[in-house]
Amino acid sequence: GQNIDQPTEMTATEGAIVQINCTYQTSGFNGLFWYQQHAGEAPTFLSYNVLDGLEEKGRFSSFLSRSKGYSYLLLKELQMKDSASYLCAVRDRGGSYIPTFGRGTSLIVHP
Amino acid sequence: DTAVSQTPKYLVTQMGNDKSIKCEQNLGHDTMYWYKQDSKKFLKIMFSYNNKELIINETVPNRFSPKSPDKAHLNLHINSLELGDSAVYFCASSQGRSAGATDTQYFGPGTRLTVL
Repeated sequence: GQNIDQPTEMTATEGAIVQINCTYQTSGFNGLFWYQQHAGEAPTFLSYNVLDGLEEKGRFSSFLSRSKGYSYLLLKELQMKDSASYLCAVRDRGGSYIPTFGRGTSLIVHP
Repeated sequence: DTAVSQTPKYLVTQMGNDKSIKCEQNLGHDTMYWYKQDSKKFLKIMFSYNNKELIINETVPNRFSPKSPDKAHLNLHINSLELGDSAVYFCASSQGRSAGATDTQYFGPGTRLTVL
């Protein structure tokens, strides 16, 4: 199975940039997902990386280095509504094909 | 036009009872899932199901059973509820392996189960 590690909590200021890291260990990497989850709501898909490099989507970008077992989610021009939990999930090439989620990083954006 | 829906949104019940949570998706997806999110926000897979294959997380007690009347529905039955079953249960769906690499999961709004 996968071993996924993310910081538990981060704080940042409105308008700033924040980077949320995720490290993982897996025997057969087959994709990494980032989801956003607001309190009391469902997780929603943000990004997917399967090849090394940076994927940019508006204010959010996600980076992957397969050799290092490392990804980060970069949030620019932070807004108050970005306060949420950010979940890193890794899919293994093994039988189930189901992503395994990390414990999530709770991001608090303050004025 | 809700994509993945669950009922009920809240469920409060006594220990020892049997309960069900319903899930429906109108995305035409082939695969559905049940996740449990505990008080520490850890999202843990319980089951994955498509019309060919049921994958069970081996740590899930057999008091929990998924039932799928058709491709658009995957209900969760729980027998003899215990205090530790209190959590938020999320249903999700995805196109499945045939869709290609991404196979993004879409989550329902969650069911908050409280066992007293």
